[in-house]
Amino acid sequence: AQSVTQLDSQVPVFEEAPVELRCNYSSSVSVYLFWYVQYPNQGLQLLLKYLSGSTLVKGINGFEAEFNKSQTSFHLRKPSVHISDTAEYFCAVTAHNTDKLIFGTGTRLQVFP
Amino acid sequence: NAGVTQTPKFQVLKTGQSMTLQCAQDMNHNSMYWYRQDPGMGLRLIYYSASEGTTDKGEVPNGYNVSRLNKREFSLRLESAAPSQTSVYFCASSGNSQETQYFGPGTRLLVL
Repeated sequence: AQSVTQLDSQVPVFEEAPVELRCNYSSSVSVYLFWYVQYPNQGLQLLLKYLSGSTLVKGINGFEAEFNKSQTSFHLRKPSVHISDTAEYFCAVTAHNTDKLIFGTGTRLQVFP
Repeated sequence: NAGVTQTPKFQVLKTGQSMTLQCAQDMNHNSMYWYRQDPGMGLRLIYYSASEGTTDKGEVPNGYNVSRLNKREFSLRLESAAPSQTSVYFCASSGNSQETQYFGPGTRLLVL
């Protein structure tokens, strides 16, 4: 079975500062990894995903994430955040042989002016 | 192209009442999912359907039933609602496990 741990429930940051949201996963088989964002009162939308190949994945809105197999991590980064990045961010994992996506508990990013 | 639609958007039930949450997608996806979202717990999978005519349990299936009516529609039924089922329910669809899951706008359910 797979599991996902998001180490920070809340991350406050000032506008234009860099941010890193941490995600670690556990799995005995190969996985696909995802980051989703949820703006207030909306559904989730995909930021980026890692399927194979280059371990540095670039997504929408200037976000990127790096897959680190040895540390079983998939941390999300942005070099300079905007007020509009205030949202909840979810890391998710699925094994290659299943359709089930397992979500972390989420990290609330709050950007202050 | 509406993507994933859910009805209703809001619902208030009394304990013991039943209801069905409707979900439809117009992307010709094979897989459909029902999740619940509770504060501090992320999204938890209730049931999913990998293809038309098949359904499987997720992490938290107790108290729910599902029907994959056709390729487009996947409904979630609460037979006898309980306060513990107060939550936000999301439906999603995808082509397969490598592909993005597309989410509906959610149904906010309050069980008194």
